[in-house]
Amino acid sequence: AQSVTQLGSHVSVSEGALVLLRCNYSSSVPPYLFWYVQYPNQGLQLLLKYTSAATLVKGINGFEAEFKKSETSFHLTKPSAHMSDAAEYFCAVSEDLDTDKLIFGTGTRLQVFP
Amino acid sequence: EPEVTQTPSHQVTQMGQEVILRCVPISNHLYFYWYRQILGQKVEFLVSFYNNEISEKSEIFDDQFSVERPDGSNFTLKIRSTKLEDSAMYFCASAGVADPTDTQYFGPGTRLTVL
Repeated sequence: AQSVTQLGSHVSVSEGALVLLRCNYSSSVPPYLFWYVQYPNQGLQLLLKYTSAATLVKGINGFEAEFKKSETSFHLTKPSAHMSDAAEYFCAVSEDLDTDKLIFGTGTRLQVFP
Repeated sequence: EPEVTQTPSHQVTQMGQEVILRCVPISNHLYFYWYRQILGQKVEFLVSFYNNEISEKSEIFDDQFSVERPDGSNFTLKIRSTKLEDSAMYFCASAGVADPTDTQYFGPGTRLTVL
C-alpha cells in the first residue's frame, strides 16, 4: 500500500524567507500527489496536484512542488513566505487507478514570523 | 465559490451515544467522502459514496458507522454507539467525478469529543 511521510510536524520561517515543506511517498506505481492547506477553522483546500504531466507543478498563492521520482519526493516550496501562509499543510497520494481515496501525511504546521 | 459545509463544528457526546455528523456537499457533485483525523495522527479515509451506495470503505468503517444521503443534499455520517477512540476531527469531501486525479473539496470538519 502507498504511504506518505511528511518530515517536520512544525516549520517556522521568517516573513520573506523560503518555505520548504517536505513530503516523501512510497509507491510501486506512478502516484498522483496532492498538497492541501488548512487555514484555521476552515476545510482542506487544494494547493496543487501532480497527475503525471509536468514534474514541476505550480499551485495557488505562489506555491509549487516538484515531483522527483528518483527521490520519491514531492516537496512544497514558496520563494518568499507571507504571514498569511501560516496554516497546516497536508501531502496526500491517491492509491491507484481503481480507487479515488486519498492517503494523507500527518501534516506540517507552518508558522511565519514577522 | 461553492463550498462544502459541515455541522456541527464541535460535538461532545457520552460514550455509547449515537451521533450524526452532517455535511452539505457542493451541489453538482456526485461523489462523497468521509475522512477523520485523530489528534496528532494522519487524516484517514473512512468511506466513499456514490449513487446512494458505498463505493469503498476502510477497515475503520465497521458496523458502528453508516452513511446516507437522505434528501439529495445532505450527506450524513452516523456513529451508532460512540467509543472514546472515535474522538477525532471528521472531514466530509465531495468531488465531481470518481477519478484519482480529480480534486476532492473538503469541508471545515466536525470535531467529535467522546467522554
